[in-house]
Amino acid sequence: AQSVTQLDSHVSVSEGTPVLLRCNYSSSYSPSLFWYVQHPNKGLQLLLKYTSAATLVKGINGFEAEFKKSETSFHLTKPSAHMSDAAEYFCVVIRNTGNQFYFGTGTSLTVIP
Amino acid sequence: EAGVTQFPSHSVIEKGQTVTLRCDPISGHDNLYWYRRVMGKEIKFLLHFVKESKQDESGMPNNRFLAERTGGTYSTLKVQPAELEDSGVYFCASSHLSTLNTIYFGEGSWLTVV
Repeated sequence: AQSVTQLDSHVSVSEGTPVLLRCNYSSSYSPSLFWYVQHPNKGLQLLLKYTSAATLVKGINGFEAEFKKSETSFHLTKPSAHMSDAAEYFCVVIRNTGNQFYFGTGTSLTVIP
Repeated sequence: EAGVTQFPSHSVIEKGQTVTLRCDPISGHDNLYWYRRVMGKEIKFLLHFVKESKQDESGMPNNRFLAERTGGTYSTLKVQPAELEDSGVYFCASSHLSTLNTIYFGEGSWLTVV
């Protein structure tokens, strides 16, 4: 079975400090992993995706994530938080032959001025 | 290029009434998906169309939910009769037939059943 666990439901950081949003996955197959972001009253926007190429994936808006098979993790990071990063972030897994996305429960990021 | 469009963006209905949500996928996308997030829970898969055919409807919660995609273009999701636990956000997404793992989501239809 495929699933993801987002370890923090809420994360609060000061503007200009690093962001770390944690995600662990379980998958019986070689997984494809994604991070999506949802800003208030907006749709889900793809930040980045891992599909068994480079383990360090760079996304939009300065975000990146590293796939670590030994730790079954796909944590999302950003060196310096910006006020516009305040949103809800979802870690998502899909098995390579599948059509279903399995979402984590989401992490709400607050950025303090 | 227009993105995935969903209508209505917000809907408030009484228990027992019917609501129909519409999704217009990105032009040329044969794959169309419905997901939903009920309050306090994770976003969950409902079903997947390939063109006008239902490829996978394993996530549909019960027979009060009916999805259609006549002609393989836009899709509708009807809830009849609506129950309180149906409140949440219904997301539609679409993708090209050849790129299953790159899907584009709409902004969601927010449904409140009172």
